[in-house]
Amino acid sequence: SYELTQPSSVSVSPGQTARITCSGDVLAKKYSRWFQQKPGQAPLLVIYKDTERPSGIPERFSGSSSGTTVTLTISGAQVEDEADYYCYSAADNNVVFGGGTKLTVL
Amino acid sequence: QVQLVQSGADVKKPGASVNVSCKASGYTFTTYNMHWVRQAPGQGLEWMGIINATVGSTKYVQKFQGRVTMTRDTSTSTVYMELSGLKSDDTAVYYCARGPPDGGVDYWGQGTLVTVSS
Repeated sequence: SYELTQPSSVSVSPGQTARITCSGDVLAKKYSRWFQQKPGQAPLLVIYKDTERPSGIPERFSGSSSGTTVTLTISGAQVEDEADYYCYSAADNNVVFGGGTKLTVL
Repeated sequence: QVQLVQSGADVKKPGASVNVSCKASGYTFTTYNMHWVRQAPGQGLEWMGIINATVGSTKYVQKFQGRVTMTRDTSTSTVYMELSGLKSDDTAVYYCARGPPDGGVDYWGQGTLVTVSS
């Protein structure tokens, strides 16, 4: 089975750069996506195909990939970026989510 | 714009079944798959399975095999997820999420809280 590993929490001050990693063997072969989830809300896609940003997502969100690790970077994190972030990948119609990372911006 | 509108919250007793619906609009229904994902209180996202909206074929996570059934109605652009034999640890928010052909997930429904309690 596929597994994706994320840190449970990341903390930054407003204006700093936040980096959230996600590791798993499947990431060497398949694209990743990143979702942002705020309390009481459905997840929101913020990065797809490792590095692409959907329309409407601020430019401060970016993604990168190297081998079996992908990274979500929030450059100049804002208080409103405080949320849970989940990485995701899929292979052969099997889907896996990372365990989620709680980003604190304060 | 793409919208996925789910049925409302439900409370069930242990052993009962629940049926959650997800009505899609704003795109060609049969062009995309539909995933079901659940989230227990305070926990992460758990993928349950996928239905191909074109032909209705399904794939379920082994954990839910025998208890989950996903169906679709192309005439109303609606997918359904039925979970039977409910237990207290099935208490969760259940989401439908659109699946592009590349295997990803993009748009999500608003979620349906299912509470299992005696």
